[in-house]
Amino acid sequence: DAGVIQSPRHEVTEMGQEVTLRCKLISGHNSLFWYRQTMMRGLELLIYFNNNVPIDDSGMPEDRFSAKMPNASFSTLKIQPSEPRDSAVYFCASSLLPPGTNNEQFFGPGTRLTVL
Amino acid sequence: AQTVTQSQPEMSVQEAETVTLSCTYDTSESNYYLFWYKQPPSRQMILVIRQEAYKQQNATENRFSVNFQKAAKSFSLKISDSQLGDTAMYFCAKSGNTPLVFGKGTRLSVIA
Repeated sequence: DAGVIQSPRHEVTEMGQEVTLRCKLISGHNSLFWYRQTMMRGLELLIYFNNNVPIDDSGMPEDRFSAKMPNASFSTLKIQPSEPRDSAVYFCASSLLPPGTNNEQFFGPGTRLTVL
Repeated sequence: AQTVTQSQPEMSVQEAETVTLSCTYDTSESNYYLFWYKQPPSRQMILVIRQEAYKQQNATENRFSVNFQKAAKSFSLKISDSQLGDTAMYFCAKSGNTPLVFGKGTRLSVIA
């Protein structure tokens, strides 16, 4: 298995532009997590899905952020419009079982987003 | 809100020596799970070791072991025979009824 796949690996955009980050889960995994990593705030959970259904989106910073899971193996995180303070590394992770279990989350390589 | 605290922003250790990274957490749950993740310069997050709170025995994975003190809510990571490839950020994390909550990390440098 190729593991969790994220694209693009790097994204540079200008303030106000729409940004879409993509994630492909490990086959057979049922839970999907989006994290944001910055120096100031560390690793923050933005949203997670279980069986394609968003369970907790309380970490999504504001309405400019949205996430979808159109099928069991794919998810997108969209920022519209983007702002310089959105610059961060965004990780996608998947797991076989939902939170509350001794289940490892497998992380993708991350997308480094820079908003100028 | 649940918190995970790593009090050592940076640490260094000589190659082949032993180092211990500290982690404390706050929770009202009786059962939960604790993890240590490693993030090398490649940025990839890699699970190092995990511990189930209802198990008293400390988890061990080769050169990595934990000291889990449930009453003290402490979960430290010991790396024995440190290797240059252990140089990385190390994150302590907790999962209970909610997904993983991460500490701010400890940057470990292994010196030749």
